[in-house]
Amino acid sequence: SSELTQDPAVSVALGQTVRITCHGDSLRNYYASWYQQRPGQAPVLVIYGANNRPSGIPDRFSGSSSGNTASLTITAAQAEDEADFYCNSRDSSGNHYVFGTGTKVTVL
Amino acid sequence: EVQLVESGGGLVQPGGSLRLSCAASGFGFSRFEMNWVRQAPGKGLEWVSYISGRGGTIYYADSVKGRFTISRDNAKNSLYLQMNSLRVEDTAIYYCARDLRGEHDFWGQGTLVTVSS
Repeated sequence: SSELTQDPAVSVALGQTVRITCHGDSLRNYYASWYQQRPGQAPVLVIYGANNRPSGIPDRFSGSSSGNTASLTITAAQAEDEADFYCNSRDSSGNHYVFGTGTKVTVL
Repeated sequence: EVQLVESGGGLVQPGGSLRLSCAASGFGFSRFEMNWVRQAPGKGLEWVSYISGRGGTIYYADSVKGRFTISRDNAKNSLYLQMNSLRVEDTAIYYCARDLRGEHDFWGQGTLVTVSS
C-alpha cells in the first residue's frame, strides 16, 4: 500500500505531551518527515530522517519510527503548536512521495 | 535567505490550461531537486510532481500523469508546471517545495488554481 494514515484529530492540554502517529507499509523502508501547517500558511518541515530538526524548530518536537509506524511527539505543548500536522515519505516504489491524511492538533 | 515564490494561478474553465512558475532565490537552485505539492480547499496535502536538479529525472502522481508537465530553467532559477486538460478536481493551492534528501525543507506561499465554469 502507498497510503499513510493518521488519526484525524488529537487534543493536548497546555504543557502536556502528545504523540501523533503515521502508519504505512513504505515506512518499513523509508523515514517519514513531518510538517506543521497553521491555518492560511504554507507547511513547515519540523522533523526529518531518524529524528532531526531543521534550524529554528524547537526541541520539544521529536520523531521516532518502528516497523510501519512513524511518530511525532510534542513535549510540553505550547499554544502556538496548534496546527495540522502531516507525515510524508516515499511510496513503496521509491519514486513517488505520499503525504499522510493529516492530524489536527488542538491545544487546550 | 531561501525564497520560493509561486505565480501563474487563477481561474480557468474545465479543459483549459495554465502554467505555474516558481522563482527561487537564496540557494544554488541547480543543485536541488524540486517538487510541486497541492492542497484542495479544506483538504490535505497531495504530492504532484518531482524533478531532479538537472531535469533528467521526472515523476508524476497518477492523478496528473499525462496532463501536467514539470520543467525547470536553472539559468533563470525557475521551476514550472504546465497544466493541461484541467479538471474541477485540480482546484487547489499549488506549492513548490525544495527537496533535500527526500524531505521538503522549504516551501513557497502557494498560488491558487480554480477550475470552474
